Amino acid sequence: AQKITQTQPGMFVQEKEAVTLDCTYDTSDPSYGLFWYKQPSSGEMIFLIYQGSYDQQNATEGRYSLNFQKARKSANLVISASQLGDSAMYFCAMRGVNNAGNMLTFGGGTRLMVKP
Amino acid sequence: GAVVSQHPSWVICKSGTSVKIECRSLDFQATTMFWYRQFPKQSLMLMATSNEGSKATYEQGVEKDKFLINHASLTLSTLTVTSAHPEDSSFYICSALAGGPSETQYFGPGTRLLVL
Repeated sequence: AQKITQTQPGMFVQEKEAVTLDCTYDTSDPSYGLFWYKQPSSGEMIFLIYQGSYDQQNATEGRYSLNFQKARKSANLVISASQLGDSAMYFCAMRGVNNAGNMLTFGGGTRLMVKP
Repeated sequence: GAVVSQHPSWVICKSGTSVKIECRSLDFQATTMFWYRQFPKQSLMLMATSNEGSKATYEQGVEKDKFLINHASLTLSTLTVTSAHPEDSSFYICSALAGGPSETQYFGPGTRLLVL
């Protein structure tokens, strides 16, 4: 069974500063994928970044980077130069395989609040 | 690219009626789509996996006769909540599986259902 843990229910960050959102995972699959999604108050889930288990380098997408530490089974999201619009829920997810095909297992989420 | 639409965005209905929610991949074909349910302040829970041209695979505890899923084409999946009751009130969100090595799921904007 796969499990995703986000230990920070809520985080504050000052505008323009960097912030790290924690994510740890557990899986017995040798191949897996890790995702981060942003969910603003409107409810939509916005894909931010992806890290494959065999990727040699940490993924980066603009102000988002993923600090992937495979041995520690962690995949923390780093947001640089925080903006007010970054205030939202953030979900870490892992791709696994169910009987029907690929599925995502989500963590409990972290609510990020950016202070002006 | 990778845009998913969902309609309607809001539904208010009387108890006992059926509600149909549509999920469309607008700029890519998706042989696999997923339906999730999200209660307030909670994470997403997978309800079912929908594969084009075949029956949906439901997660444990999800009533297949209650939540009818049809995936008739490569760009459209529908979820019908039959004989809705107040406890079915929730946020329903779909995703479509894009191709490529990351096999990212792209989400629709979600549908808020309120059953009176």
